[in-house]
Amino acid sequence: QVQLEQSGAEVKKPGASVKVSCRASGYPFSTYDINWLRQAPGQGLEWMGWTNPNNGDTGFAQKFQDRVTLTTTTSMATVDMELIRLTSDDTAVYYCARGVLSGYDTRGPQYYFDSWGQGTQVIVSS
Amino acid sequence: EIVLTQSPGTLSLSSGERATLSCRASRSISAGYLAWYQHKPGQAPRLLIYHASHRATGIPDRFSGSGSGTDFTLTISRLEPEDSAVYYCQQYGSSPPGPFGLGTKVEIK
Repeated sequence: QVQLEQSGAEVKKPGASVKVSCRASGYPFSTYDINWLRQAPGQGLEWMGWTNPNNGDTGFAQKFQDRVTLTTTTSMATVDMELIRLTSDDTAVYYCARGVLSGYDTRGPQYYFDSWGQGTQVIVSS
Repeated sequence: EIVLTQSPGTLSLSSGERATLSCRASRSISAGYLAWYQHKPGQAPRLLIYHASHRATGIPDRFSGSGSGTDFTLTISRLEPEDSAVYYCQQYGSSPPGPFGLGTKVEIK
């Protein structure tokens, strides 16, 4: 049974950084890319980026490119998402999700998401 | 970027009724690459439908998807109390994945 288990809730001050972990189990870890998405209060789901656990390749939505790092620890089947320079706009529930690759276009891979973590609440407040 | 518009915003129906949820794209979605997700409060989103009409593993057959081009529909043929949730559509015909629609909330009376 595929499972993605995320780390617990975080409260941070503006300007700080946050790291959220996602541990995968129930399938060969390196065979699917891990994606990160978030949902701010009252908003829809927003895709942030992806990583290939097999080779460490990453790709990000333009708005997150200079603030997000994805780090894979293959031995632990874990992907960490670090977001820096937090503002109140980063208050959201953050999800990791297993991406099913349907193809590529000039801007990168195309995914839908067949398994999700339970979500991690991140609150940014002074 | 493709914009997905979901309607209605909220659907309030009784158990056993049929629910029809719409997802309209601002331009044609390549190869019908549209997915539907169910999201209950405090839980992980759950994939229901991919490629517009393919049910994901373990999804009951009362859930069905249809459509192509710019107009897509999720139908729940006979609502059960546990179907109370927010339903999102997502396009993946072009990169980056998403955006997602703003969702349709299904309430069971």
